[in-house]
Amino acid sequence: NAGVTQTPKFQVLKTGQSMTLQCAQDMNHNSMYWYRQDPGMGLRLIYYSASEGTTDKGEVPNGYNVSRLNKREFSLRLESAAPSQTSVYFCASSEQPELGNSPLHFGNGTRLTVT
Amino acid sequence: AQSVAQPEDQVNVAEGNPLTVKCTYSVSGNPYLFWYVQYPNRGLQFLLKYITGDNLVKGSYGFEAEFNKSQTSFHLKKPSALVSDSALYFCAVRDSGNNRLAFGKGNQVVVIP
Repeated sequence: NAGVTQTPKFQVLKTGQSMTLQCAQDMNHNSMYWYRQDPGMGLRLIYYSASEGTTDKGEVPNGYNVSRLNKREFSLRLESAAPSQTSVYFCASSEQPELGNSPLHFGNGTRLTVT
Repeated sequence: AQSVAQPEDQVNVAEGNPLTVKCTYSVSGNPYLFWYVQYPNRGLQFLLKYITGDNLVKGSYGFEAEFNKSQTSFHLKKPSALVSDSALYFCAVRDSGNNRLAFGKGNQVVVIP
């Protein structure tokens, strides 16, 4: 099992450019998440999708959009990148978040630098 | 809203000594508590969780954690640390009333040979 796969692994953008981060999971999980990780700040939730066809804002959604393409795939789009979006982005999935006890399964991250 | 505090930025421990990583939490309902570990250039990996029941929870790689409701703590422990335990450790809490997970800022653990 591949688990959660993120592409690309690394990306450098110039301010104002756009890009889409891709995420796919093969565990048949219902819920998927996008986090960003910054030094000393832990992980902050950008957007999540509790189930196919639904998306909701997390803690830091400004400057991002998401698409839950199907049950497997959840993409994150930066329409106009800013230096403040330089970060490591993690996609995660879980089986049933509504039950409250499902652990998250994480991808290996996308390291994004905006110059 | 739920929150997590991990008061120490880095924990240094000699190989073979006990390891403790501290975590305190704040929730309005019943807490669901988790520990994750992150190795360099990798995503977070689930270690263990507390949902209900026994206050001492055992997880992967010999780790365990103790839930203390009165102190609102969920400290991670390992009786004998290995050099390979050197990593970044995150505590997380989910309130029973919602499906969002709040992470602490992480603790860097350095096990000295």
